[in-house]
Amino acid sequence: QAQLQESGPGRVKPSDTLSLTCGVSGYSIIDEDYWWGWVRQPPGKGLEWIAYIYYGGDTYYNPSLKSRVTMSVDTSKNQFSLKLNSVTAIDTAVYFCARYHGVRGWFDPWGQGTLVTVSS
Amino acid sequence: DIVMTQSPLSLSVTPGEPASISCRSSQSLLHSDGYNHLDWYLQKPGQSPQLLIYLGSSRASGVPDRFSGSGSGTDFTLKINRVEADDVGVYYCMQGVQIPVTFGGGTKVEIK
Repeated sequence: QAQLQESGPGRVKPSDTLSLTCGVSGYSIIDEDYWWGWVRQPPGKGLEWIAYIYYGGDTYYNPSLKSRVTMSVDTSKNQFSLKLNSVTAIDTAVYFCARYHGVRGWFDPWGQGTLVTVSS
Repeated sequence: DIVMTQSPLSLSVTPGEPASISCRSSQSLLHSDGYNHLDWYLQKPGQSPQLLIYLGSSRASGVPDRFSGSGSGTDFTLKINRVEADDVGVYYCMQGVQIPVTFGGGTKVEIK
């Protein structure tokens, strides 16, 4: 059974780069049926899809964030990562990683989420 | 972008009574594969979202049959028969038919 766990700094300074990693256990990230994604949730607000990546490295980004986002995958470590540059206060959110079914189009399971605060 | 609109914003339900949540999309969610790419998630307080329904009407593994999804095209409904205390939280619909993936604003369900 797949389990996902986010890791990374809980605080990032404005204009810096937010970097998060999602470790996957109990399941190989090398699976042709799944993509691996990120969704964020500002405090008290709704969900926003950021991006997802295939084990081979193909990516899809939310156009609203595309200029600032980069995803990568490390199959040897069974993990994938997110970088969001030039952050501002509006990037403060809980960041979730999740497995995405490429054909059926659902996110499951999700990591527990990690709060990233953008503040000097 | 496809805009997902949920109603109502909040719902207060007596245990044992039914509940219904509507989700409307600004474009059809019917994919060329013949399925509506519409999911429902429940985010319980302090937790990450969990998948309830995918492809409009298929229950995810382990989801009680009290939950059902219906609809097609642009109009979808999540129904809960006999709401239980454990059903409290925020329910979100999500479309995956087109990039960017987009979510509804959420419907908060509480128990009376």
